[in-house]
Amino acid sequence: AQSVSQHNHHVILSEAASLELGCNYSYGGTVNLFWYVQYPGQHLQLLLKYFSGDPLVKGIKGFEAEFIKSKFSFNLRKPSVQWSDTAEYFCAVKGGGGFKTIFGAGTRLFVKA
Amino acid sequence: DTAVSQTPKYLVTQMGNDKSIKCEQNLGHDTMYWYKQDSKKFLKIMFSYNNKELIINETVPNRFSPKSPDKAHLNLHINSLELGDSAVYFCASSQDLAGANSPLHFGNGTRLTVT
Repeated sequence: AQSVSQHNHHVILSEAASLELGCNYSYGGTVNLFWYVQYPGQHLQLLLKYFSGDPLVKGIKGFEAEFIKSKFSFNLRKPSVQWSDTAEYFCAVKGGGGFKTIFGAGTRLFVKA
Repeated sequence: DTAVSQTPKYLVTQMGNDKSIKCEQNLGHDTMYWYKQDSKKFLKIMFSYNNKELIINETVPNRFSPKSPDKAHLNLHINSLELGDSAVYFCASSQDLAGANSPLHFGNGTRLTVT
């Protein structure tokens, strides 16, 4: 069965600090990988996605993620966070040809101004 | 605006009542979903419909009954509400069910509080 593990439940950073949120998945075949963001009081929005090709994926708002197949990882990065990045971040996986998108437990990021 | 819209945004009700949440998408997507987000923000899929056909039915009490009158609508009816049903329910859609380019588009959520 598919599963997604996010390493950090809460992260607190100061503005301009670099961000890396860990995500590992469990699935034996090809995968589609996603990062979603949920700003306070809002719905989830897609940050970026990986399906195939270049394992370094760039998304919106300066975020990027790197797919490392050998480590079953898809970590999210941003070189310099802003106060407006305060949100909950969810890693998600969908097995290739599968029907379900499975979410990790989320990482709550708080950026201090 | 093209979007996934769900109503109501807030729903407060007493145990034992029956309530419905409605969802509509005008993105032209084939597939719709219901997810439940608990108080710890954990998201769990409940149901998925593809072109009005039930595809995914997770281990959800049969008090929960989805209905899809057409591929643009997926409603959720809940009978005999219990305290543990309190959560935020998100509707979502995707272009197709298993295609390579099918990220989820979420509605704004319905916060259900059962007292």
